[in-house]
Amino acid sequence: NAGVTQTPKFQVLKTGQSMTLQCAQDMNHEYMSWYRQDPGMGLRLIHYSVGAGITDQGEVPNGYNVSRSTTEDFPLRLLSAAPSQTSVYFCASKRTSGYNEQFFGPGTRLTVL
Amino acid sequence: AQSVTQLDSQVPVFEEAPVELRCNYSSSVSVYLFWYVQYPNQGLQLLLKYLSGSTLVKGINGFEAEFNKSQTSFHLRKPSVHISDTAEYFCAVREGYTSGTYKYIFGTGTRLKVLA
Repeated sequence: NAGVTQTPKFQVLKTGQSMTLQCAQDMNHEYMSWYRQDPGMGLRLIHYSVGAGITDQGEVPNGYNVSRSTTEDFPLRLLSAAPSQTSVYFCASKRTSGYNEQFFGPGTRLTVL
Repeated sequence: AQSVTQLDSQVPVFEEAPVELRCNYSSSVSVYLFWYVQYPNQGLQLLLKYLSGSTLVKGINGFEAEFNKSQTSFHLRKPSVHISDTAEYFCAVREGYTSGTYKYIFGTGTRLKVLA
């Protein structure tokens, strides 16, 4: 199992550009989520999904879109990047029933100039 | 909504010394608590968890944590740290069931720096 994979590892964007952060998992987990990590603020939930075709907003959803067409993939889209979106982004997945451990990807470090 | 407080943003400690990383959570009827570790340039991995039962929880790499309901705390401890324990540590609590799942609230993290 590869677990949770994320691409790219690093990305630099100019203000106003768009891009998609990719996340995939091969554990057949129903739940997938995106967090951003900022100094002194810990991890904050952006969007999450409990299954294909189902997404919902987390704590800081503004400026981000998601979709979930398959169980395996959960891409995060920035339609018009802003410097405030400079952060490290983590994707995570887990089973939804009962308690289950969240597995995290290695992260994408995004800089918006 | 649940909240998690990690008061110490950085904790320097000498190698082989004991360490305690503090975590306090907002009270709730039932609570699931977690500690995650993030090594430099890596994702988070689960260190240990408290779901129920014994209040002393043992995790990987010699870490343990004690759930204290009266003080709403879940402090992480290790009796003797190594250089390799240098990392950022996050405390997390599971929120109530909404929208088909449980979500997790993370603290702001404590950066443990082990000095030679």
